[in-house]
Amino acid sequence: EVQLVESGGGLVQPGGSLRLSCVASGFTFSTYWMGWVRQAPGKGLEWVANIKHEGGEKYYVDSVKGRFTISRGNAMNSLYLQMNTLRAEDTAVYYCARVLAGASLFDFWGQGTLVTVSS
Amino acid sequence: DIVMTQSPDSLAVSLGERATINCKSSQTVLHSSTNKDCLGWYQQKPGQPPKLLIYWTSIRHSGVPDRFSGSGSGTEFTLTISSLQAEDVAAYYCQQHCSTPLTFGGGTKVEIK
Repeated sequence: EVQLVESGGGLVQPGGSLRLSCVASGFTFSTYWMGWVRQAPGKGLEWVANIKHEGGEKYYVDSVKGRFTISRGNAMNSLYLQMNTLRAEDTAVYYCARVLAGASLFDFWGQGTLVTVSS
Repeated sequence: DIVMTQSPDSLAVSLGERATINCKSSQTVLHSSTNKDCLGWYQQKPGQPPKLLIYWTSIRHSGVPDRFSGSGSGTEFTLTISSLQAEDVAAYYCQQHCSTPLTFGGGTKVEIK
């Protein structure tokens, strides 16, 4: 059974940093693209970033470029999102998700971790 | 960026009746390599992460009931629930998967009338 478990969310002040982690199980992690998608409270879905199998290609939504970094540790079946210079508008539930092979959609999602940026 | 616009924002349908959700893209979402439209649909129930229903416009993801179907081409797409069940109460989102930034529609909430 595919499982994705996020951690690392919490309350942080504007301008602060946070590192999200996602541990994957139930599939061969190193053979899949992975991504992060966020959802602000009561709002819709927003794609944040994707990373290729071995980490050589990374893509970001413009609003996080230069502030967020996606990475992965295939030996640990783990996905990460380093978030710096956080803003109030980054407040959201962040989902770790597996990218469907052959298409940039997300076929399995974690339960999400809440990031709140507030003073 | 490709902007995805869904309509309606919400709809109420009687049990057993058809529900239709529309999604329009600001430009065509035709994938050059496959000649298929890269449009997918998700279902999200309250307090849960989204679940993939449909990809490449009309392919049902594993385990998705056949009352869910996707159609369309070019810039206009539709998700149809042929006979609404109580467990289908949820928000539904379309997503284009042709190019980054990957973009979602604003969502449509489906309720029981």
